[in-house]
Amino acid sequence: DTEVTQTPKHLVMGMTNKKSLKCEQHMGHRAMYWYKQKAKKPPELMFVYSYEKLSINESVPSRFSPECPNSSLLNLHLHALQPEDSALYLCASSQDREAGGRKETQYFGPGTRLLVL
Amino acid sequence: GEDVEQSLFLSVREGDSSVINCTYTDSSSTYLYWYKQEPGAGLQLLTYIFSNMDMKQDQRLTVLLNKKDKHLSLRIADTQTGDSAIYFCAESTRNNDMRFGAGTRLTVKP
Repeated sequence: DTEVTQTPKHLVMGMTNKKSLKCEQHMGHRAMYWYKQKAKKPPELMFVYSYEKLSINESVPSRFSPECPNSSLLNLHLHALQPEDSALYLCASSQDREAGGRKETQYFGPGTRLLVL
Repeated sequence: GEDVEQSLFLSVREGDSSVINCTYTDSSSTYLYWYKQEPGAGLQLLTYIFSNMDMKQDQRLTVLLNKKDKHLSLRIADTQTGDSAIYFCAESTRNNDMRFGAGTRLTVKP
């Protein structure tokens, strides 16, 4: 089973709203990732969690707040977003982030399509 | 440079072979990947190749790796309309994160 699930599938929110995106995997992976993908562009890395600790924050604005409650779950809390934050948000997981072998292969969820009005 | 490069578009007829090319940057990448993305969907891992291999075949997919030229290709035999999608080449970087190409949009005409 190489499934990563994400909810919701679609989300429309106003600039004053607070919402959360959720990601779940049950493959025993210890690294989880948030990516942002704009139309016709490759995914851009936002955050990386390794063993439930934030290991990379790619200069993402504070209106995006990640959370990793346990090794299977990854959340992305959204507050006071801007229209330019509208994008497809992808979650991914890998067995590990350490070098050496297939452990770094990332498996992606279907994404949450976010529209900020 | 720092970019993974791919041509943006490829159009083929149903039943023909498709070849999508990619050049990558990091000679120390241990794995190189091909992902497929259908409209409105996430990325599906299609195949990957370990850097000490020069070819990998998986059913209709053949991956060729030229490590000297840092060139990777994906060949899809007997291309079908269901193969129409964007194909991303990706390399694992020194800190084990993923660097993606811009994606090649494959259109399969009946």
